[in-house]
Amino acid sequence: AQSVAQPEDQVNVAEGNPLTVKCTYSVSGNPYLFWYVQYPNRGLQFLLKYITGDNLVKGSYGFEAEFNKSQTSFHLKKPSALVSDSALYFCAVRGRGYSTLTFGKGTMLLVSP
Amino acid sequence: GAGVSQSPRYKVAKRGQDVALRCDPISGHVSLFWYQQALGQGPEFLTYFQNEAQLDKSGLPSDRFFAERPEGSVSTLKIQRTQQEDSAVYLCASSPRGAGNTIYFGEGSWLTVV
Repeated sequence: AQSVAQPEDQVNVAEGNPLTVKCTYSVSGNPYLFWYVQYPNRGLQFLLKYITGDNLVKGSYGFEAEFNKSQTSFHLKKPSALVSDSALYFCAVRGRGYSTLTFGKGTMLLVSP
Repeated sequence: GAGVSQSPRYKVAKRGQDVALRCDPISGHVSLFWYQQALGQGPEFLTYFQNEAQLDKSGLPSDRFFAERPEGSVSTLKIQRTQQEDSAVYLCASSPRGAGNTIYFGEGSWLTVV
């Protein structure tokens, strides 16, 4: 089985400050890891993914994520938050040999002006 | 089209009514997925197609849920005799073949059963 944990229901950060949204996963073998963002009344938008290679992955809108195999983590980061980054963020895992993505419960990011 | 297209965007159904939700994937994408997202929750897997073959339907919650993709392109998710607990957003997604490929999601069909 594969699973994802997002331990924080909500993350609050002031505009201009760095942000981190945490994600840990469980899967057999090497994982494919993804981050998606969801704005109100919208579908999921792809941000970035880790497949193999460099542990630091850069994605859309200045976001990046670091794959840490020993800690089974894939935390989402951004050096300087924007108010417009406020949204619901989902981490997802797909194990090799699995046909589907398994999502975490989501973390609401609130960036205050 | 440029992205995954779903219709209707919003549907209100009376309890016991049958509904059909349509998904038009990105052109050329072999894989197609349906997910269900309840309010305040993450998406939950329903079913997966590779071309016209339904390879995994382990997430369908009951035999009232049925999905098809007869020509390997457009897919329909059908819910028979809707119940209030079926109220959710139904997300369709598609991707090229291969587990490492990005899965792209549509805007979702918001179903409310009253």
